[in-house]
Amino acid sequence: AQSVTQPDIHITVSEGASLELRCNYSYGATPYLFWYVQSPGQGLQLLLKYFSGDTLVQGIKGFEAEFKRSQSSFNLRKPSVHWSDAAEYFCAVGSLTGTYKYIFGTGTRLKVLA
Amino acid sequence: GAVVSQHPSRVICKSGTSVKIECRSLDFQATTMFWYRQFPKKSLMLMATSNEGSKATYEQGVEKDKFLINHASLTLSTLTVTSAHPEDSSFYICSARRQGTDTQYFGPGTRLTVL
Repeated sequence: AQSVTQPDIHITVSEGASLELRCNYSYGATPYLFWYVQSPGQGLQLLLKYFSGDTLVQGIKGFEAEFKRSQSSFNLRKPSVHWSDAAEYFCAVGSLTGTYKYIFGTGTRLKVLA
Repeated sequence: GAVVSQHPSRVICKSGTSVKIECRSLDFQATTMFWYRQFPKKSLMLMATSNEGSKATYEQGVEKDKFLINHASLTLSTLTVTSAHPEDSSFYICSARRQGTDTQYFGPGTRLTVL
């Protein structure tokens, strides 16, 4: 079955600290992977995506993610968190043919301490 | 570019009435639009996929007669919640797939409250 798992429901970090949000997927075909961020009451903003090529992907706002096929993971990282990064983060795996549907993880809520 | 708008952003209605939510791609043509529902502190649940000019494809468990989707043009899709009840209260988010690309761009969402 196709699925996305984000093991951490909540994560709290201090401002300036590094961040890693975990994402594991189960997908029958070549996975196309995305990270989105959602601020309270808002829609989703694309942070980065991986289709092919270099497994380390750079995104907006200083985020990066690394695709590891052997671990079925696509973890999101940021070297130094800012207070404005507090939000909900969603990992998604998508089909880029046919239906183009995405499957979302359950999200990780990030809290940043001043 | 790749801006998607939704209208209204919030709506409160009485039980039994119908509510229409619009999703527009403002600066691109969207071959496919998607409608999601998000429960508090939960992930997004795909309700249906709509392609311009054809009938929407609904996910299992989603009532097509309850949630009417129309995708009349390459920049507009509408979701109508018919005979709304309190259990339909939720955050509804649309997304649009830019024609010729693989990425979905999301609207800001619509908060529906049914009294």
